[in-house]
Amino acid sequence: GEDVEQSLFLSVREGDSSVINCTYTDSSSTYLYWYKQEPGAGLQLLTYIFSNMDMKQDQRLTVLLNKKDKHLSLRIADTQTGDSAIYFCAERTGRRALTFGSGTRLQVQP
Amino acid sequence: NAGVTQTPKFQVLKTGQSMTLQCAQDMNHNSMYWYRQDPGMGLRLIYYSASEGTTDKGEVPNGYNVSRLNKREFSLRLESAAPSQTSVYFCASNRQGGYNEQFFGPGTRLTVL
Repeated sequence: GEDVEQSLFLSVREGDSSVINCTYTDSSSTYLYWYKQEPGAGLQLLTYIFSNMDMKQDQRLTVLLNKKDKHLSLRIADTQTGDSAIYFCAERTGRRALTFGSGTRLQVQP
Repeated sequence: NAGVTQTPKFQVLKTGQSMTLQCAQDMNHNSMYWYRQDPGMGLRLIYYSASEGTTDKGEVPNGYNVSRLNKREFSLRLESAAPSQTSVYFCASNRQGGYNEQFFGPGTRLTVL
């Protein structure tokens, strides 16, 4: 079955790096995604990684994928107050719909 | 491009009332989805439509019906609302091919008293 788990809360200081972790159970996942949700808004795709990749970097964002352990992480370098939001990990398997984790609330302190 | 739009933004219902949540996308996407989001939980799939004229149940379909009116529009209906349906509802549509990004609407916050 499909199950995606994340820690619920992370607090960092402005300028530090943030690392948000996610574990998933479905080894047939094709794509894994990170979405950002700001208060009162819908979800916005931040980045994604294909299952045959180990790492992907996109400006301040680095995604690491460990397929053996079914572990995905999102690193945000030089975290800013504007990065405060809920971050969702999601996987896509054979179905077109996504399975989401419960979200990690990132709080950035000035 | 407006992307994915949803109406209404907020709604309060009494137990037993019915209502329809509307969703439309202008990106010519084939697939559309309805999710609900509850505190401390991720988004859970209610129903989806892979293409015009088809709908399928997701993880939590009980108490809901959907209609894929045309390629643009996908509505969600609550026939007899219950307090357990208090939630934020998101509609999404999917780009075919590539990395299959899903685009989300702004959400409808529904309270059932």
